[in-house]
Amino acid sequence: EIVLTQSPATLSLSPGERATLSCRASQSVTNYLAWYQQKPGQAPRLLIYDASNRVTGIPARFSGSGSGTDFTLTISSLEPEDFAVYYCQQRYNWLTFGGGTKVEIK
Amino acid sequence: EVQLVESGGGLVQPGGSLRLSCAASGFTFSSYWMHWVRQAPGKGLEWVSRINSDGSDTSYADSVKGRFTFSRDNAKNTLYLQMNSLRAEDTAVYYCARQNWNYNNWFDPWGQGTLVTVSS
Repeated sequence: EIVLTQSPATLSLSPGERATLSCRASQSVTNYLAWYQQKPGQAPRLLIYDASNRVTGIPARFSGSGSGTDFTLTISSLEPEDFAVYYCQQRYNWLTFGGGTKVEIK
Repeated sequence: EVQLVESGGGLVQPGGSLRLSCAASGFTFSSYWMHWVRQAPGKGLEWVSRINSDGSDTSYADSVKGRFTFSRDNAKNTLYLQMNSLRAEDTAVYYCARQNWNYNNWFDPWGQGTLVTVSS
């Protein structure tokens, strides 16, 4: 099973700041990685697929990068609605999710 | 509007059974592979099961294999997850999700979830 490790577990930032979230895979997943956003009481929402492609309607402040084992989700300037939990997911070998990074208001 | 609505969750005793449903609308349901993903209270996401578009092929996480059965009725635009021999560790919100080929088969959208609680 491919294990995805997300770091940090919690990111405390202020609106307007840049957020950098990491997802590391236990083995290469090439670019078969996606990022989801989940707000309290809501279902996850797909943000980024194939490591770097933004879903239609997702603001340009969200960007994804990386390949192989190391991936990054960047939010260039945090808006109040961006404070949430973010999960990465791989489907290179079966389907697994990372443990999540909570982006909270500092 | 594409919509997925889960139902059927509730409180069940250990060893009991429950059947979840997921009603789909706003898209050609019979053309899409579908998934169940669960989330234990305060925890992360865990993939549970997948079904292909005509229901002829399924796969399961090891944690539920042999206990859960994923099926679909394309005439009713509905998914079913039959859960038997339930354990406390099956307690979670269960989401259905569409495998979206527009986004290279990633999960979009997800339903709002239904809570299953396994407790005596």
